[in-house]
Amino acid sequence: QKEVEQNSGPLSVPEGAIASLNCTYSDRVSQSFFWYRQYSGKSPELIMSIYSNGDKEDGRFTAQLNKASQYVSLLIRDSQPSDSATYLCAVKTITGGFKTIFGAGTRLFVKA
Amino acid sequence: GAGVSQSPSNKVTEKGKDVELRCDPISGHTALYWYRQSLGQGLEFLIYFQGNSAPDKSGLPSDRFSAERTGGSVSTLTIQRTQQEDSAVYLCASSLPGLAGGMDEQFFGPGTRLTVL
Repeated sequence: QKEVEQNSGPLSVPEGAIASLNCTYSDRVSQSFFWYRQYSGKSPELIMSIYSNGDKEDGRFTAQLNKASQYVSLLIRDSQPSDSATYLCAVKTITGGFKTIFGAGTRLFVKA
Repeated sequence: GAGVSQSPSNKVTEKGKDVELRCDPISGHTALYWYRQSLGQGLEFLIYFQGNSAPDKSGLPSDRFSAERTGGSVSTLTIQRTQQEDSAVYLCASSLPGLAGGMDEQFFGPGTRLTVL
């Protein structure tokens, strides 16, 4: 089992719809969770971080964390074509050292 | 400079040559990561520096790869006797991790695209 797993996609949604991106992780005692966006040919950029169970909203983005089920998700409301990118889930692990492990990413296409 | 910088932006080398890639983290950031990303793939963790602690080298793919961080700031990733499979984008990120290993929001540099002929 990979430490951080994501559906590779591509996930295709129409403009204005809600895009839902999911991520599961294996280290039960992980404490910090992040979503990064990576446009083609560019470096990843942080869009959300979450540390407590529940929802965290920032503009059109909502991160959801469920530590009991070991999953974290990202919702993008009113999706725009400019949201088309690869979304990387990252988890700061404790087991084996305090390093952050990235998932392989989910490619999102928002159709105009 | 406010962000993470990396040099060179592009490097083309011949198989068997050594290369050095440089990363300048954000001032004050104590943590520094190196990753490798092949075309269309995810981020592959290479090495992690945190303050004065011994680096976590668990991601280095072979003994041809090494990295150092001088004075807790600039880092250099060295690849000896390069192979064609080393061709990738090498990304550096820095962060200011919180206590007990929490937080750790990473800021990435633009990367170095390495091509081994």
